[in-house]
This record gives sequence, C-alpha cells and structure tokens, in this order.
Amino acid sequence: SSELTQDPAVSVALGQTVRITCQGDSLRSYYASWYQQKPGQAPVLVIYGKNNRPSGIPDRFSGSSSGNTASLTITGAQAEDEADYYCNSRDSSGPRGVFGGGTKLTVL
Amino acid sequence: QVQLVQSGAEVKKPGASVKVSCKASGYTFTSYDINWVRQATGQGLEWMGWMNPNSGNTGYAQKFQGRVTMTRNTSISTAYMELSSLRSEDTAVYYCARGLVPYYYYMDVWGKGTTVTVSS
Repeated sequence: SSELTQDPAVSVALGQTVRITCQGDSLRSYYASWYQQKPGQAPVLVIYGKNNRPSGIPDRFSGSSSGNTASLTITGAQAEDEADYYCNSRDSSGPRGVFGGGTKLTVL
Repeated sequence: QVQLVQSGAEVKKPGASVKVSCKASGYTFTSYDINWVRQATGQGLEWMGWMNPNSGNTGYAQKFQGRVTMTRNTSISTAYMELSSLRSEDTAVYYCARGLVPYYYYMDVWGKGTTVTVSS
C-alpha cells in the first residue's frame, strides 16, 4: 500500500506565507486533498483535486502538485489557521484511501 | 443543511464487536460514497474504508480486511460500520465522511465522530 509523508510540525509568523508538503508515490497519479483539524473537532476539507476550495474556505488556502509532492500553501496565515493539517489521496495499489501523518501548524 | 449524524459513544470489551451508525440528511444519500476514518487519541487520521450507498459496493483498507463490514439502509439514509474482534488498540474516535463524486477519498462533509472505548 502507499504511504504519504508529511513534516510533523511547521511554524509561520502571523501574516506570512507557509507551505505544507506531502510526499508519496501515489501523488504521481492522483491529486491530494487537504484537511484542517482543530482540537476536539472533526476535520474540515480545505483543498481537493488540482486546486479546488469548498465553499466557505478562504482564498488564502491553495494547493499545488509536482511529481510525487503535493503542497498546501497558506498565503497570509492567520491565528485561526493554527491547526493540524492532513493530506490524503487514493492508494496507487487499489481503490483505497490513505492519509499522511499530519502536520501541526503553529502561527507565531 | 447537509449533515451526517453519528450514534453515541460505545464502551466494549476486548473480543466484542461494535456497530456505529451515520445518518445522512440534506442530500440524496445514494448519490455520494461514505468513508469511515478513525483517530486514536493524539494520533493521526486513519482511513478504514468506503461504501457506495447505491450499490452497496465497499472497499476496505488492508489493515481492516476481515474485521470490518460497511453496510447501509437506504430507506433511512443511514450507513453503518461494524468492527469485530475488538482490541485495546481500536480505542479511537470513528468518523463517517461523505465522499465527493467521483473521487470518494475527497471528503467534504464529516460527522462529529463516535468515541469507541475498548477496555476490560
């Protein structure tokens, strides 16, 4: 089965830009989706596909992909963006999903 | 509004089974897949499997093959996830999540989660 690898923790100064990455072989074939999770809450979809934002997600969130790496970029990070972020995609070996280990984002 | 309402918390003994329900409202239940995802305390998200409520077709993560069963009752727009042979490592919050068409693994609506505790 495929694996998706994320950095465990990333920090960004308030108002600055941060990129959170996700690596895995399946990303060469399938786009990732990204989820934001705050303590005690269910995850929220923030980016899916090539670079699609669900309704209600601020446009400071964007996604991109190159080779085996997917990226979530937050342009002008806000205090409320402090959360855990997870990537997920389809497993390249079959019709199954897979999540990355998650990245804890701290906004300084 | 579109929502998924899950059943309440469960406490089970090792070796038992648990069945969690997920009731959909605000959309056509049979038009979107349902995923099940779990999260142990302080850990990451773990994808367990998906089900197509229209056909009943399912796909499970290899780790849960043989122990998990996903079913549905379309008359009441409810999906179910049953996990058997429970062990302490199965203690977690279990989420159902709607999958976007045609990419079931893009999950746009989530239930609030059901806490399952496995303890003797």
